[in-house]
Amino acid sequence: GAVVSQHPSWVICKSGTSVKIECRSLDFQATTMFWYRQFPKQSLMLMATSNEGSKATYEQGVEKDKFLINHASLTLSTLTVTSAHPEDSSFYICSARGQKKDYEQYFGPGTRLTVT
Amino acid sequence: GQNIDQPTEMTATEGAIVQINCTYQTSGFNGLFWYQQHAGEAPTFLSYNVLDGLEEKGRFSSFLSRSKGYSYLLLKELQMKDSASYLCAVVDSNYQLIWGAGTKLIIKP
Repeated sequence: GAVVSQHPSWVICKSGTSVKIECRSLDFQATTMFWYRQFPKQSLMLMATSNEGSKATYEQGVEKDKFLINHASLTLSTLTVTSAHPEDSSFYICSARGQKKDYEQYFGPGTRLTVT
Repeated sequence: GQNIDQPTEMTATEGAIVQINCTYQTSGFNGLFWYQQHAGEAPTFLSYNVLDGLEEKGRFSSFLSRSKGYSYLLLKELQMKDSASYLCAVVDSNYQLIWGAGTKLIIKP
């Protein structure tokens, strides 16, 4: 149980375009989802926390107008990278936390974004 | 501020034992996780400790001392596939995960 999927697993886009990444909890309801970014050889960096039906909470230094997060249902959150630039190229990972008092985050497989 | 420290890199020999330490200073404590992350992949859950003591799970064990703000992950009978980064993460008083930078473990034959 506790499976999280991400789509796409990798994407290449041109500078200036927008890219949407989906994160789904397949067998549980995720009240909270997290979006992370990881650059090569670096640790996970939390970008934002989203709760179903409410606005996401962004970490300091993360532009909310550039990284649009929508948590429309208890099983789906999306991250849209708007007007992508080469410096946005990174590994984007989502995780989900269930409704019970369980602080474990279940991670999706990640999405590798390359902006050319 | 909140801080989690773990060594940047460790090297060990196949078949041996290695201990990866993690010390933390956080606002509140609601448990500590260890995750394994292979290069290019998402983290996978290894252990969760909320009470003091040692928890053993196969070749992996995790220890916690809340009074010392200290945990370690013990890997026995090391295999080449154990080469990965090991991430320590603490659940703070706001139930947020605070991540360490990770320890890259290199296994040599």
